[in-house]
Amino acid sequence: GNSVTQMEGPVTLSEEAFLTINCTYTATGYPSLFWYVQYPGEGLQLLLKATKADDKGSNKGFEATYRKETTSFHLEKGSVQVSDSAVYFCALRTKSGGYNKLIFGAGTRLAVHP
Amino acid sequence: GAGVSQSPSNKVTEKGKDVELRCDPISGHTALYWYRQSLGQGLEFLIYFQGNSAPDKSGLPSDRFSAERTGGSVSTLTIQRTQQEDSAVYLCASSLVGTGYETQYFGPGTRLLVL
Repeated sequence: GNSVTQMEGPVTLSEEAFLTINCTYTATGYPSLFWYVQYPGEGLQLLLKATKADDKGSNKGFEATYRKETTSFHLEKGSVQVSDSAVYFCALRTKSGGYNKLIFGAGTRLAVHP
Repeated sequence: GAGVSQSPSNKVTEKGKDVELRCDPISGHTALYWYRQSLGQGLEFLIYFQGNSAPDKSGLPSDRFSAERTGGSVSTLTIQRTQQEDSAVYLCASSLVGTGYETQYFGPGTRLLVL
């Protein structure tokens, strides 16, 4: 079946450090891939997405590239800030019966310290 | 415009009681989704609505769970005879059409605690 695996947290970094959160997936067909972010006390927000192989999604300094050959969609940021502290969810969207269905990874908590 | 709203934001109930959770999607969004976020289970899909009909109920964990949507807008998720394992954050999302290419926008969730 379809699934998403992402690295366990928490990930603790100092401000301005480089961030990588690994995400791999298993899916039939060609899913779309997403990173959602959940800031403390807030709802899930779409961070970035990619809909086909080799697409790169980017937003707020974060990037992720859809790698079909390695079935991965790793999230990266060159220099994190304290305000990036949040839980990050990798997700894939299957087109089952002609509509959306998001399948999420377990989430990775990121804590950035000054 | 307004985003997805959910009520109540928090709900504490006793085991065995019924609860109703409400979701108001973004105006004009025809697709509505319920997910559950719990410790140890991550984020799970529960049910999807297109308009007032639910073509995919595959994620509902048991027959104690039901959902309806009226007027193509507000949706209610009902949990009967709540159990402690139902404790979780229940998230609602909506999207414009539901054909597979649009973004889902999430509400802030309802945090349910069953004592």
